Amino acid sequence: SQQGEEDPQALSIQEGENATMNCSYKTSINNLQWYRQNSGRGLVHLILIRSNEREKHSGRLRVTLDTSKKSSSLLITASRAADTASYFCATDYTGRRALTFGSGTRLQVQP
Amino acid sequence: GAVVSQHPSRVICKSGTSVKIECRSLDFQATTMFWYRQFPKKSLMLMATSNEGSKATYEQGVEKDKFLINHASLTLSTLTVTSAHPEDSSFYICSARDHQLNEKLFFGSGTQLSVL
Repeated sequence: SQQGEEDPQALSIQEGENATMNCSYKTSINNLQWYRQNSGRGLVHLILIRSNEREKHSGRLRVTLDTSKKSSSLLITASRAADTASYFCATDYTGRRALTFGSGTRLQVQP
Repeated sequence: GAVVSQHPSRVICKSGTSVKIECRSLDFQATTMFWYRQFPKKSLMLMATSNEGSKATYEQGVEKDKFLINHASLTLSTLTVTSAHPEDSSFYICSARDHQLNEKLFFGSGTQLSVL
């Protein structure tokens, strides 16, 4: 399976704290994307980082990519209760049109 | 931004019946759509890739006669769960790529299927 693994599986923090989620994958990729899913809903695209990029920012989100270690991290700074959701990394690699999703991290931000 | 509409959002049916789920791209053409299945607190597992005007490509272990996919137009793909059984109960999500924004996937809001 090419599915990536994410850790932690679950994370509970207080509002204002930072949340870091990690993703590992198994094969060379074109890009890696992070998605958010609220319970019982579809997924929303957050950020995309290409294989030749090492870091990317979008608002309170910071994503890093280490292709030598086949890993990525998502940092959410100054978290809010509204950030409570599941977060998935997804890899896009040559020869496959669909994205392959990681196992996900369930983030709970306590007000 | 691109919008994908999926319905119904929730369906409860009796064992043995068939259920059709629709996925529409509202403001872009999607030559390819993807159907995923998700169990509670689990990741998304790709079931099949739906290709406009041709047969769908199914992932290993997914029964094509059980999960019928039709992609008759550039904006509509349907997934029919035939002769549903309780083990088919799951959350089904469709997604599509806007060919002009090729790298991102846009997702429908999902369908929670409960088979009694």
